Amino acid sequence: QSALTQPRSVSGSPGQSVTISCTGTSSDVGTYKYVSWYQHHPGKAPKLIIYDVSKWPSGVPDRFSGSKSGNTASLTISGLQAEDEADYYCCSYAGRYTWVFGGGTKLTVL
Amino acid sequence: QLQLQESGPGLVKPSETLSLTCIVSGGSITSSDYYWGWIRQPPGKGLEWIGNIYYSGSTDYNPSLKSRVTISVDTSRTQFSLKLTSVTAADTAVYYCARLRYFDWTFDYWGQGTLVTVSS
Repeated sequence: QSALTQPRSVSGSPGQSVTISCTGTSSDVGTYKYVSWYQHHPGKAPKLIIYDVSKWPSGVPDRFSGSKSGNTASLTISGLQAEDEADYYCCSYAGRYTWVFGGGTKLTVL
Repeated sequence: QLQLQESGPGLVKPSETLSLTCIVSGGSITSSDYYWGWIRQPPGKGLEWIGNIYYSGSTDYNPSLKSRVTISVDTSRTQFSLKLTSVTAADTAVYYCARLRYFDWTFDYWGQGTLVTVSS
């Protein structure tokens, strides 16, 4: 069970869009629709922003969107805002009642 | 609003046992729709799933930690606990508790986390 692969960092200017990838294997991301994304501001509780690959929890703006192709899931944040600057993590169900997370991506809003 | 709060010692000596508790408020720990989990984040690294427990006591553990981990639940006190034995410096991390939805395998609510340092 290896961690999902995310870019260490991404950046964008306010109003722009950025995409964060999350690459797994056919044993996790490639097989299951149970991919979720979390926004984490240091010192605070991680916040669920996408589940089931592309669904929004109540209260999360639709500027955040998710997708999946093969073994790679993606999170796109459009209309970047200063408050989007945070760490982002993906997570996938990996079968046999196990879960695997990504290494995290630091988003910098320039 | 559901809240989870981790508590426990911030410093543990090598080879000893790390013990943490997660207190759940604002919701039922005995709901059939949810599991309760532990996740950790070593300094400078990503998140690592440790394990989950159902209110009935049924558990699932990360295979890489299974030999050292025990998760238990106390429904009367609406809390669940983590024990990690034989700790080393590699177990130094921020430990989070979270609620896991049974119907879509999503961790939907998290605690703020607690830093545990393993050092003599």
